[in-house]
Amino acid sequence: LAKTTQPISMDSYEGQEVNITCSHNNIATNDYITWYQQFPSQGPRFIIQGYKTKVTNEVASLFIPADRKSSTLSLPRVSLSDTAVYYCLVGDRGGGDYKLSFGAGTTVTVRA
Amino acid sequence: GAVVSQHPSRVICKSGTSVKIECRSLDFQATTMFWYRQFPKQSLMLMATSNEGSKATYEQGVEKDKFLINHASLTLSTLTVTSAHPEDSSFYICSARKNLLSDEQYFGPGTRLTVT
Repeated sequence: LAKTTQPISMDSYEGQEVNITCSHNNIATNDYITWYQQFPSQGPRFIIQGYKTKVTNEVASLFIPADRKSSTLSLPRVSLSDTAVYYCLVGDRGGGDYKLSFGAGTTVTVRA
Repeated sequence: GAVVSQHPSRVICKSGTSVKIECRSLDFQATTMFWYRQFPKQSLMLMATSNEGSKATYEQGVEKDKFLINHASLTLSTLTVTSAHPEDSSFYICSARKNLLSDEQYFGPGTRLTVT
């Protein structure tokens, strides 16, 4: 059940800002938008979560327009260690349990 | 806080045997845990949702008799791959939901299963 669409890959250089946009046209009223980061052979790591407008934490910012049909994860001043797969997810409240459906993710490659 | 562990981190077993993978929430109670499977170069695929004290809910296409899930306590869920075959070789990841008011999940480090 693919609910999100994001670019397959993005390349960047150290020190640049990386913005990954995710489309979620069918987002439900109660859905939150969550971004995860995954390194090879590791479990995903929570980056940021938001419902609307802008959310910022120590590692990223999340921009959500008023219609909530898309969101943009912004990674400021990336380093080589930010090379990973980034997943955009929306909560799926099927059967009372929040189930997360992972899409293909965006492979971000940071070069020196 | 919100640490999830898995054991073992990697396991190799022979075809036809069963393997148990443990998922523990170390510093919080998790009423709901989730099991995912990830093949190389692919995304995570949700296998089942595990609620403490009740039967797991399996996603379409996942054999419940082959992938036995037990969520006996608020900090432990186990996945048993029964009669494993080489095609079951994969990366198995669990997650635990901490906050009932949001869908934030905390993931374990994963278990690499290789069936020979």
